[in-house]
Amino acid sequence: QKEVEQNSGPLSVPEGAIASLNCTYSDRGSQSFFWYRQYSGKSPELIMSIYSNGDKEDGRFTAQLNKASQYVSLLIRDSQPSDSATYLCAVNLWDMRFGAGTRLTVKP
Amino acid sequence: DAGVIQSPRHEVTEMGQEVTLRCKPISGHNSLFWYRQTMMRGLELLIYFNNNVPIDDSGMPEDRFSAKMPNASFSTLKIQPSEPRDSAVYFCASSLGTGDHEQYFGPGTRLTVT
Repeated sequence: QKEVEQNSGPLSVPEGAIASLNCTYSDRGSQSFFWYRQYSGKSPELIMSIYSNGDKEDGRFTAQLNKASQYVSLLIRDSQPSDSATYLCAVNLWDMRFGAGTRLTVKP
Repeated sequence: DAGVIQSPRHEVTEMGQEVTLRCKPISGHNSLFWYRQTMMRGLELLIYFNNNVPIDDSGMPEDRFSAKMPNASFSTLKIQPSEPRDSAVYFCASSLGTGDHEQYFGPGTRLTVT
């Protein structure tokens, strides 16, 4: 079992829709969770961090964490073509472990 | 504020040559991380430093790879000798500390070994 798993995608949504990105992790002791966005040919860019169960909202982005289910998700409301990128889930216990990423395409 | 700085941005070298990648972390950050990204294996942690001391190098693929952090503002990742399978994008990231702290990535070095 991979340490951090993401839905493989690619995920395609129309402009203005909600994009839902999911991630599960294997180590119950994990304490901090991050979502990074990576445009093609660029470096990962931190967009959200979450440490406690529940929801955390930042603009159009909402991160959701459920430690009991070992599940973390990212919702993007009112998706824009500029949101088209690969989204990486990262989980930190002793060091950071990244998922393989989900490629999101937002179609105008 | 300046982010993480990496050089060179692109490196093309022949098999067997020595390659040195450089990184300057964000000022005030005391943890530094080296990652490698490939299509096949995704983003992999190679090694990380805390207060200039290597903490975990278990991700370093083999003895051909070495990393140093002589001071708080500079780190190098060296590959000697390089091989075609080392071709990848190498990222450096820094954070205020290990554990729960957010990591910020540099622009990366795209290495091609022919």
